[in-house]
Amino acid sequence: EDKVVQSPLSLVVHEGDTVTLNCSYEVTNFRSLLWYKQEKKAPTFLFMLTSSGIEKKSGRLSSILDKKELFSILNITATQTGDSAVYLCARCSGGYQKVTFGTGTKLQVIP
Amino acid sequence: NAGVTQTPKFRVLKTGQSMTLLCAQDMNHEYMYWYRQDPGMGLRLIHYSVGEGTTAKGEVPDGYNVSRLKKQNFLLGLESAAPSQTSVYFCASSYLELDYNEQFFGPGTRLTVL
Repeated sequence: EDKVVQSPLSLVVHEGDTVTLNCSYEVTNFRSLLWYKQEKKAPTFLFMLTSSGIEKKSGRLSSILDKKELFSILNITATQTGDSAVYLCARCSGGYQKVTFGTGTKLQVIP
Repeated sequence: NAGVTQTPKFRVLKTGQSMTLLCAQDMNHEYMYWYRQDPGMGLRLIHYSVGEGTTAKGEVPDGYNVSRLKKQNFLLGLESAAPSQTSVYFCASSYLELDYNEQFFGPGTRLTVL
């Protein structure tokens, strides 16, 4: 089974804090690891990490992939209330790019 | 350029009724997906398609059927709705590339089965 496990399930921080979200996955037929942000509606894409690109950064968000230990982290520095959302991790596997999502981490940033 | 659209946005069904959810994309993507999202369960793949005329089962296919007669459309059917199918349904599409799979999601359909 293609399991993706995220932790913590939920998190409450104050504005300005730095947070680290975790994602572990199984290795079978691994192609890429994806991070999404989901606010009220549909998930929006943040990062994709593959064997040829194990670290990504965009503004206050960054992500790394540890292929040896089979996990990824998403870091958010100087958090803002607009970062409040559910963050989803997903692994892509197989020849047809089957995507398996974790259950998500709910982040709440309070002023 | 509308991206991925879904119709309807909301629907209430009685147990045993049937319905079809329509997903359309205008980005010429090869891959299309149907997910359901339930509280505490994340997104679970129902069915997916790698091209016009082809479909495959995902994690939770039972009780659903799909069709991809045109490249831009992916239909999800419920033949005999059950309360366990109450959920938010998301459609997504993506490019055909080996290592790149950014999925573009539709706005979702909230389905309630009474």
